[in-house]
Amino acid sequence: DIQMTQSPSSLSASVGDRVTITCRASQSINSFLNWYQQKPGKAPKLLIYAAASLQSGVPSRFSGSGSGTDFTLTISSLQPEDFATYYCQQSYSMVTFGGGTRVEIK
Amino acid sequence: QLQLQESGPGLVKPSETLSLTCNVSGGAISSSSYYWGWIRQSPGKGLEWIGSISYSGSTYYNPSLKSRVTISADTSKDQFSLKLSSVTAVDTAVYYCARTIPRITIFGVGTVSWFDPWGQGTLVTVSS
Repeated sequence: DIQMTQSPSSLSASVGDRVTITCRASQSINSFLNWYQQKPGKAPKLLIYAAASLQSGVPSRFSGSGSGTDFTLTISSLQPEDFATYYCQQSYSMVTFGGGTRVEIK
Repeated sequence: QLQLQESGPGLVKPSETLSLTCNVSGGAISSSSYYWGWIRQSPGKGLEWIGSISYSGSTYYNPSLKSRVTISADTSKDQFSLKLSSVTAVDTAVYYCARTIPRITIFGVGTVSWFDPWGQGTLVTVSS
């Protein structure tokens, strides 16, 4: 199985901060990497697919980059509604998810 | 707007079979462009893909669960179902259904891509 490792596992940030979350695959997955946001008690919501494509309806402050084994999710200016847990997911070979990054209020 | 809703027992006894149904509204599952999948989330194992199905019944399963999983689809009711047999406490989780996109890998193996949208999820506890 392809293992997905996210870092950090949690972070504290303030409204307006630029936030970067990293996801590393145990082997190359080309650009078959997707990002989700999950709020407490809710289902995950797709933010980014194919490493860098913004899902319809998702604010442009979210962006994704990377290919191969290293990927990043960037929130350019953190908003109050962005405090949540973020997950990466690879679909290169079968499907596996990262362990999540919790973004908390500083 | 496409919506998915999981339903089924919230409590299942060890060694029995977990059965859940996902009802799809605002669209039909009989589209060749999509597959329909199950994902679960537990504190111990995080998010775990269980498997996916097309409207015609083609399935992809997580190898780690394949021996215990059956996913089926009923296009007349726009719903698909999950059965997980011989459950134990480690199968306690929130179970989600979701729409997904099929693809073929460079190895010629079928798989799925991203999941969108998701149902709200249903908690299933395995306990006697």
